[in-house]
Amino acid sequence: DADVTQTPRNRITKTGKRIMLECSQTKGHDRMYWYRQDPGLGLRLIYYSFDVKDINKGEISDGYSVSRQAQAKFSLSLESAIPNQTALYFCATSPGGYEQYFGPGTRLTVT
Amino acid sequence: RKEVEQDPGPFNVPEGATVAFNCTYSNSASQSFFWYRQDCRKEPKLLMSVYSSGNEDGRFTAQLNRASQYISLLIRDSKLSDSATYLCVEGGADGLTFGKGTHLIIQP
Repeated sequence: DADVTQTPRNRITKTGKRIMLECSQTKGHDRMYWYRQDPGLGLRLIYYSFDVKDINKGEISDGYSVSRQAQAKFSLSLESAIPNQTALYFCATSPGGYEQYFGPGTRLTVT
Repeated sequence: RKEVEQDPGPFNVPEGATVAFNCTYSNSASQSFFWYRQDCRKEPKLLMSVYSSGNEDGRFTAQLNRASQYISLLIRDSKLSDSATYLCVEGGADGLTFGKGTHLIIQP
């Protein structure tokens, strides 16, 4: 079984809809991250969390919110999806230090 | 704002050849650097860390030049399976800063 899982793997939604992307990990890591990847722009950090009570904004947090429900779960929400949020979204975990382990990604399309 | 710059390529290289690419970083105080590999539409995976003294892992060698603020990756005896996008990454307390990647194509 994968150590970092993301659901759904693919999602098509309409403009204005609320959508939640979920990430779960069995690695026992305290640190979790959400990134988005766009063609030609690389990966950019949306939010990160160092433990259940610690949530921090990343480079591009506008239009997104997160919830750290437990050490193993970190969810990303788009309150009102817009087309330019169409991207590949990755969750990652870290034991501390800088090495990170990525989930398989969620491909989100907003029409 | 930290920035990591890479040549996007593509680098088209015959199988068995040696290929090298660099990236530059903007934050002279940064301490940690990595190379990640990403296959098409898949998640990035750590290839190797980059140490000040340089490090080697099989056919792969990574080096850090602090004076010029660049990191290099050398791949020897390239294999078809080395075809991928290679991401140069700068580590920081608030997460990783990724370059946009260098696309490598190994040709038979």
